[in-house]
Amino acid sequence: DVKVTQSSRYLVKRTGEKVFLECVQDMDHENMFWYRQDPGLGLRLIYFSYDVKMKEKGDIPEGYSVSREKKERFSLILESASTNQTSMYLCASSLDLSYGYTFGSGTRLTVV
Amino acid sequence: ELKVEQNPLFLSMQEGKNYTIYCNYSTTSDRLYWYRQDPGKSLESLFVLLSNGAVKQEGRLMASLDTKARLSTLHITAAVHDLSATYFCAVFITQGGSEKLVFGKGMKLTVNP
Repeated sequence: DVKVTQSSRYLVKRTGEKVFLECVQDMDHENMFWYRQDPGLGLRLIYFSYDVKMKEKGDIPEGYSVSREKKERFSLILESASTNQTSMYLCASSLDLSYGYTFGSGTRLTVV
Repeated sequence: ELKVEQNPLFLSMQEGKNYTIYCNYSTTSDRLYWYRQDPGKSLESLFVLLSNGAVKQEGRLMASLDTKARLSTLHITAAVHDLSATYFCAVFITQGGSEKLVFGKGMKLTVNP
């Protein structure tokens, strides 16, 4: 089974901090995605990547950036964390969208 | 802008009952996905529907896709407590040369004894 691992289940950060959320997949998937999940809003796409060093903006990229230096790792960066970025962050990967996504376990980020 | 609407968003039902939930979407797509999420957990893939008329069944859940109506249904048969979770549908789209899934807001199902 594909495993998508997010390095932290829970994080608490201060306003203005630079925050790194890490995601690693072990099945050589080319496609990786970052979503945030908020009550009543469902899942919203932040950034995605189809290959190493490649990135594309999703629907809500403001305040975020990403890094994909290696195929298996896709990092989400909050340049200067703000309280409105408190959320559940979900990473997903996919070999082929015909199979859908495999999700990581999520990181619940609280910015205080 | 693509809209993926799930109906209802909240459902409380008794064990043993049947019910159908709906996922409507506003653009052409021939692929639709259903996911389940337990509280505090991540999303787990339930069904992948890849063509018009596709029907998949797993236990007490059956999903179908009508691409002409832009509608997918998830039918619950003889509900049990273990089905309590949030269910998401997601639609495959191609936008600006990129392929991605767009998710509905999720339907929270509670099955009462």
